Amino acid sequence: EVQLVESGGGLVQPGGSLRLSCAASGFTFSSYWMHWVRQAPGKGLVWVSRINSDGSSTSYADSVKGRFTISRDNAKNTLYLQMNSLRAEDTAVYYCARDYYGGDENWFDPWGQGTLVTVSS
Amino acid sequence: DIQMTQSPSSLSASVGDRVTITCRASQSISSYLNWYQQKPGKAPKLLIYAASSLQSGVPSRFSGSGSGTDFTLTISSLQPEDFATYYCQQSYSTLSITFGQGTRLEIK
Repeated sequence: EVQLVESGGGLVQPGGSLRLSCAASGFTFSSYWMHWVRQAPGKGLVWVSRINSDGSSTSYADSVKGRFTISRDNAKNTLYLQMNSLRAEDTAVYYCARDYYGGDENWFDPWGQGTLVTVSS
Repeated sequence: DIQMTQSPSSLSASVGDRVTITCRASQSISSYLNWYQQKPGKAPKLLIYAASSLQSGVPSRFSGSGSGTDFTLTISSLQPEDFATYYCQQSYSTLSITFGQGTRLEIK
């Protein structure tokens, strides 16, 4: 079964740091681009970051650029999101998702169950 | 960034109704448009990819159409399990993927 399981969320003070992990199983992790998407309480989905299959290329939403770093360890089948200088507005459920490339178009499938990050003093 | 605008933002309908949700892109995105369903407390689930292709395991009452800037998601006959929030997503720009604001489908 193709599965993604996030961990590492929790309560952190403004200005603090947190590292999220996303453990992949059931597919060849090293062959796929991966993404992080977040959802603030009661709000919509917002794309955060993506990384290519070998980790050599990344991109970020403007709102997190310079504060968040996406990375991966293909030997451990794990995706990471290092979050620094956290702000109250970073409070959200964070999802990891696999980028499935269909030869031309691409889409997100599957998604993990999400991990909640709360930034508050 | 490419902006995605969904309408309506919310919708009340009854079991058995035919429902259409629209999504408009701020520039042409060809067929790089996907639809997701999200239920409260759950992760999003892929319904439609590449504008009109039905994801495996998704009931055939769901369909998608459109290309360029205008897209639609149609549910031909609403079932109780279809009441959820629906999001469109453009994957045309791999440097910055964007979602619509969501359409909340509620029971009338």
